[in-house]
Amino acid sequence: SAVISQKPSRDICQRGTSLTIQCQVDSQVTMMFWYRQQPGQSLTLIATANQGSEATYESGFVIDKFPISRPNLTFSTLTVSNMSPEDSSIYLCSVEDAAYEKLFFGSGTQLSVL
Amino acid sequence: LAKTTQPISMDSYEGQEVNITCSHNNIATNDYITWYQQFPSQGPRFIIQGYKTKVTNEVASLFIPADRKSSTLSLPRVSLSDTAVYYCLVGVLNSGGYQKVTFGTGTKLQVIP
Repeated sequence: SAVISQKPSRDICQRGTSLTIQCQVDSQVTMMFWYRQQPGQSLTLIATANQGSEATYESGFVIDKFPISRPNLTFSTLTVSNMSPEDSSIYLCSVEDAAYEKLFFGSGTQLSVL
Repeated sequence: LAKTTQPISMDSYEGQEVNITCSHNNIATNDYITWYQQFPSQGPRFIIQGYKTKVTNEVASLFIPADRKSSTLSLPRVSLSDTAVYYCLVGVLNSGGYQKVTFGTGTKLQVIP
């Protein structure tokens, strides 16, 4: 199984600022995913990050707001830009384990925007 | 993408068996059925996965009828620590041709002493 480390685990930010969330995996993976989980809600996929190519964003999410980097097979970052209180959520990094047909998740980043 | 429907919430007493059913009428031939568990302040954790019939592991059983349009997660003798949200997902994960999986609303299980 993959072990995923996410940083920071939580942060409180001022509106208008940006926060970069880091996701480190202990093994090389092809696909990495970023999810958002708003308070009391289910998970919503933001984008899929494949190493060496531009991230693919889901409907309702744009690169200018959520730029993603994927410099290698074990690391990715998600930036939440120009934050507003509506961005207050948990952001989760996930990787697929193709051998086992399942997803592994980090523990998430709890973001509060004031 | 196959859409899933689950009960929003369930209550159970400690020691009882809990069955959570998920409907997925539009499941595709290549789709697997996977269940995840999520505790507060944690990411979802894989519980069990199946394609058809019955699958059992150390924590749960998964029952899938022949038409595969529904599935039932069975948790034997639940304890307070099983209080969590349980998500049913259908889809295929494949590095060569990944298909997205969609999280449904999940079922919030509350285990009562």
